[in-house]
Amino acid sequence: GNSVTQMEGPVTLSEEAFLTINCTYTATGYPSLFWYVQYPGEGLQLLLKATKADDKGSNKGFEATYRKETTSFHLEKGSVQVSDSAVYFCALSDQGGGFKTIFGAGTRLFVKA
Amino acid sequence: GAVVSQHPSRVICKSGTSVKIECRSLDFQATTMFWYRQFPKKSLMLMATSNEGSKATYEQGVEKDKFLINHASLTLSTLTVTSAHPEDSSFYICSPQVQGSYEQYFGPGTRLTVT
Repeated sequence: GNSVTQMEGPVTLSEEAFLTINCTYTATGYPSLFWYVQYPGEGLQLLLKATKADDKGSNKGFEATYRKETTSFHLEKGSVQVSDSAVYFCALSDQGGGFKTIFGAGTRLFVKA
Repeated sequence: GAVVSQHPSRVICKSGTSVKIECRSLDFQATTMFWYRQFPKKSLMLMATSNEGSKATYEQGVEKDKFLINHASLTLSTLTVTSAHPEDSSFYICSPQVQGSYEQYFGPGTRLTVT
């Protein structure tokens, strides 16, 4: 079955540091890949997505590239801010899975001023 | 973008009572509805999938008689937690989806506390 594995947190960084959150997936078909963000006390928000190999999703300074050869979709940001503190979820969805979104465990990010 | 509402946003109820959570897609028609549950500091766990006018399909380990799902229209789905117990306390999130689409939209969630 489909699954998503992402690095365990929490991740603690200083402001303006470089961020990488690793995500790898297993899928039987050709999934679309997503990063969602959940700020404290709020619901899930779509951060970025990529629907095919080599696509790069980007939003708010975050980016992730769909790597089919390594089945990865790592999230990066060049300079984090305190306001980026949140939980980040990697996820996939594909037709073989009935378009259900499967989520990774989530990675909590703390950014210190 | 797509707008999804959930009501109530927070609810506190006593053990043994039932609670109904409504999920509405305000500007699109959702042929499929996913209901998720999120425990504190955990990921989202899919509870069930329903298609408009059909019975819901529940994931393994989810009691269908305890978590009643109704998807009567293309813009409204309800989740009723029956005879709630403290272990049902959680954050419940609906996710309507347009037929054949990869992308899901998520409601803001309902925090249920059972005392």
